[in-house]
Amino acid sequence: GQQVMQIPQYQHVQEGEDFTTYCNSSTTLSNIQWYKQRPGGHPVFLIQLVKSGEVKKQKRLTFQFGEAKKNSSLHITATQTTDVGTYFCAGSNFGNEKLTFGTGTRLTIIP
Amino acid sequence: NAGVMQNPRHLVRRRGQEARLRCSPMKGHSHVYWYRQLPEEGLKFMVYLQKENIIDESGMPKERFSAEFPKEGPSILRIQQVVRGDSAAYFCASSPSTGDSNQPQHFGDGTRLSIL
Repeated sequence: GQQVMQIPQYQHVQEGEDFTTYCNSSTTLSNIQWYKQRPGGHPVFLIQLVKSGEVKKQKRLTFQFGEAKKNSSLHITATQTTDVGTYFCAGSNFGNEKLTFGTGTRLTIIP
Repeated sequence: NAGVMQNPRHLVRRRGQEARLRCSPMKGHSHVYWYRQLPEEGLKFMVYLQKENIIDESGMPKERFSAEFPKEGPSILRIQQVVRGDSAAYFCASSPSTGDSNQPQHFGDGTRLSIL
């Protein structure tokens, strides 16, 4: 079945440093979504990418979708303590509404 | 506009008992998804339902687990004869019915199930 892996599994950064998480799918995706889950909380939708090579920005967050639509990345510039949490990518295949979530990257910030 | 509502937030059961988890999707949403999350792990898809229909249950264990989404009322995830390994957070998500896969999912706060 489809597998979605993320690296790294954990990331500790000093406040103000940048952070990147990478997402790789075993199959070509129709779209990819990113979610953030705070400790003890529930996943919250951040963004969706649909087109090959697409890049979207939300303030300090930059999301990319690979040309082959099999990988994606999330980059946070100048991290803040509010960025703490686990970031999940989630992909779906054409004609299938089921999302396969990645393994997640847990970000902790050192003040 | 109320979000996805799950109850109970916390549920404690003894081995062998039944657990019933409820989920009311967002208003206007007809697609419901159930996920299971173990501590420090990702979300594992369990089942996808539309009103009165199970669309994809490929992530559901073959025994003891069942799900429904009746015409009236919330979606129910039922676990019979619970075992210690069923302890986890169970999240429900919903999305609107638009006929394509490009819809974000809105998650409830989850039910934390603990088996004694």
